[in-house]
Amino acid sequence: TQLLEQSPQFLSIQEGENLTVYCNSSSVFSSLQWYRQEPGEGPVLLVTVVTGGEVKKLKRLTFQFGDARKDSSLHITAAQPGDTGLYLCAGQGGTSYDKVIFGPGTSLSVIP
Amino acid sequence: GAGVSQTPSNKVTEKGKYVELRCDPISGHTALYWYRQSLGQGPEFLIYFQGTGAADDSGLPNDRFFAVRPEGSVSTLKIQRTERGDSAVYLCASSRQVNTEAFFGQGTRLTVV
Repeated sequence: TQLLEQSPQFLSIQEGENLTVYCNSSSVFSSLQWYRQEPGEGPVLLVTVVTGGEVKKLKRLTFQFGDARKDSSLHITAAQPGDTGLYLCAGQGGTSYDKVIFGPGTSLSVIP
Repeated sequence: GAGVSQTPSNKVTEKGKYVELRCDPISGHTALYWYRQSLGQGPEFLIYFQGTGAADDSGLPNDRFFAVRPEGSVSTLKIQRTERGDSAVYLCASSRQVNTEAFFGQGTRLTVV
């Protein structure tokens, strides 16, 4: 069974601070995705990383896929209250075949 | 439609009753996924369809859960003899094909009392 772990589980920071959240697995995935979910809504895809070592930037968000394609990180620079939400990593491929397996999420709260 | 639509948005049912949850995917999307999300947790995979057939139903927790997609578009998740532990948000997602971006609906919040 492929499992994804995320840390930290909860994070509360002041506006303007930087933060990093981590996603780890003992299994290899073909791709790894990051989603953001707000209360009462479904997850919304932020980015997909495919190549080991890949780095993608989306405005103030930087995503990195580990060289071995087992882990990933999400770094947010100068966090804003609008960044508040549940950040989910999800793996696809490998032994999970086509289905997308989600981690437990990191709940981020950015305080004005 | 513009996005994935799930109905009802909220469902309260009594323990032991039967419920059906509906998902209308984005038009033209061949892959459809069902997930279950409990409070404070990530979505848990239940089943996914490629066209009309269930390509992977390994996440269905037991035989009380069943899903269909008879015409390759709308899907219905069916739960028999509901239990309080079935209470969760049931999410549906669709993608143009497998391994492409999946778009999620807002979910159906099921409460079994």
